[in-house]
Amino acid sequence: GQNIDQPTEMTATEGAIVQINCTYQTSGFNGLFWYQQHAGEAPTFLSYNVLDGLEEKGRFSSFLSRSKGYSYLLLKELQMKDSASYLCAAYDSNYQLIWGAGTKLIIKP
Amino acid sequence: GAVVSQHPSWVICKSGTSVKIECRSLDFQATTMFWYRQFPKQSLMLMATSNEGSKATYEQGVEKDKFLINHASLTLSTLTVTSAHPEDSSFYICSARGLAEYNEQFFGPGTRLTVL
Repeated sequence: GQNIDQPTEMTATEGAIVQINCTYQTSGFNGLFWYQQHAGEAPTFLSYNVLDGLEEKGRFSSFLSRSKGYSYLLLKELQMKDSASYLCAAYDSNYQLIWGAGTKLIIKP
Repeated sequence: GAVVSQHPSWVICKSGTSVKIECRSLDFQATTMFWYRQFPKQSLMLMATSNEGSKATYEQGVEKDKFLINHASLTLSTLTVTSAHPEDSSFYICSARGLAEYNEQFFGPGTRLTVL
């Protein structure tokens, strides 16, 4: 079956760095997404990786290793507003988006 | 980036009534739209995928006669919750994808439905 695994919850301190890991098993693979979702709101797009390596976008970076079925989202200089759920999702061979359950990130002052 | 709107943002209705939710892609043509449901503190659950001009594909366990989806144009899809019951109370979110399959999905702001 197809599956996305990511931690349920993580806690970090304002100003620090946090890495949210995601592993995936899909029938074929056509890229991996990270979305941010604040409570009571719809997800917003953060990043898309289809090739191995690190994509940097401001304070957020996303990494992909296709051979390991692994990705991570790196958040630097954490701010209180970064408290949210972070969703990992992968496209399978049919471009069906397989969603992880999300990682709730709690930022403490 | 691309903008997707949803209307209404929230709705309260009586049990047994029907509710229609609209999803519009404002600045791009969306050949495919997706409808999700999300219960509190749970992950997104895909309900159905709709392609413009064809019948929606429903996920296992989703009643197609209860959740009617119409995708009549490249910019509009509607979800009608028929004979709503309190257990249908949830956060309904649509997303739209552009012409290419590899395009990311852009999400609408969601509709919070409360059935009394």
